[in-house]
Amino acid sequence: QQQVKQSPQSLIVQKGGISIINCAYENTAFDYFPWYQQFPGKGPALLIAIRPDVSEKKEGRFTISFNKSAKQFSLHIMDSQPGDSATYFCAASKRYSGGGADGLTFGKGTHLIIQP
Amino acid sequence: NAGVMQNPRHLVRRRGQEARLRCSPMKGHSHVYWYRQLPEEGLKFMVYLQKENIIDESGMPKERFSAEFPKEGPSILRIQQVVRGDSAAYFCASSLGQGVLEQYFGPGTRLTVT
Repeated sequence: QQQVKQSPQSLIVQKGGISIINCAYENTAFDYFPWYQQFPGKGPALLIAIRPDVSEKKEGRFTISFNKSAKQFSLHIMDSQPGDSATYFCAASKRYSGGGADGLTFGKGTHLIIQP
Repeated sequence: NAGVMQNPRHLVRRRGQEARLRCSPMKGHSHVYWYRQLPEEGLKFMVYLQKENIIDESGMPKERFSAEFPKEGPSILRIQQVVRGDSAAYFCASSLGQGVLEQYFGPGTRLTVT
């Protein structure tokens, strides 16, 4: 059972355009939703994250939009650049009673290519 | 500030051998997570540890796999009697805990079983 569904699998965007990646989750207990960026041969890097008490979070060119009722969240990359070409993963988890968080449940990833 | 460190970065084992993967969390972090990434797939949670405790091992295969995070030293993921299907990238992530949920990943160990 896949608890976090991510789309599209691959995406090609022209330089300067907006890249949009969508995720949907099933488990209503999730309360933390990060996005990771991964380059080939590297570990995932935390990009931006949101909690369900807000509907949007912006950091530089990256914005997360969150729709709690629809159980969906998305990543928008404004003014996309060739250096943004990477694989992007959405994820979800919930707080653990001991002060940490459960392991992340990841989407299957989106391979983003920004054409110059 | 050093990030999460993993070693070795690449590991080749023959079928039936043991693989030991090490992870040193970020300074001050006491929560460690292990994930596995198969080629062209997302990351799958394996195990969540705090110092000297396994908190959640629901993603760990029942046989041949074990993990520890001792009071001193790195966290270890151990795979006994490796098989070809164990070939994957294994990532460790660490978190501060104390209500902070962000997890920071290491560069991974790429295990190849021949």
